[in-house]
Amino acid sequence: EVQLVESGGGLVKPGESLRLSCAASGFIFNTAWMSWVRQAPGKGLEWVGRIKSKSDGETIDYAAPVKGRCTISRDDSKNTLFLEMNSLKTEDTGVYYCVTASPYGHWGPGTLVTVSS
Amino acid sequence: QTVVTQEPSLTVSPGGALTLTCASSTGAVTSGYYPNWFQQKPGQAPRSLIYSSSQKHSWTPARFSGSLLGGKAALTLSGVLPEDEAKYYCLLYYGGAWVFGGGTMLTVL
Repeated sequence: EVQLVESGGGLVKPGESLRLSCAASGFIFNTAWMSWVRQAPGKGLEWVGRIKSKSDGETIDYAAPVKGRCTISRDDSKNTLFLEMNSLKTEDTGVYYCVTASPYGHWGPGTLVTVSS
Repeated sequence: QTVVTQEPSLTVSPGGALTLTCASSTGAVTSGYYPNWFQQKPGQAPRSLIYSSSQKHSWTPARFSGSLLGGKAALTLSGVLPEDEAKYYCLLYYGGAWVFGGGTMLTVL
């Protein structure tokens, strides 16, 4: 059974940094493309970015609102996906989901990030 | 800025059928946009239903189908059940980046 479990969310102040993790199991992680999707409270889904597998060049693409402030990475030896966010803004508040992206299929339960002073 | 547009809300009776659409501000949606459809119920993570326009996951109920219709991506529900009440999102590919639509709130009553 595919399982994705996000962690690392919490309350941070504007301008601070945060690193989210996603522990994956139940599938061959090193061949999977992976993505982060977020959802602000009461709002719709927003694609954050995607990382391809190492065999596909580990190419990373980001959404315009987070480009330059976010870094997606992966550790295939630990079946773990990461999202590092810097210079956090209040508008980054929301639930962050880890999603398999080849194709988009399995979602984690999400982790809540709150950016507030 | 690319905008993906969905109907804000739709209502259907149990047992009925309807089609949700997904349009792109850049023009007609084709298979190259790899349309995806997701269902989200309150308090839950989204669930993937359709990918690459019309491909179903092993868990996608048969009453859901995806297609390209009149320059838009479409999600058709047939034989709607009360449990299909949810918000539905489409996702389109724009050469590296993906963009979600604003979602369609489907009410079954």
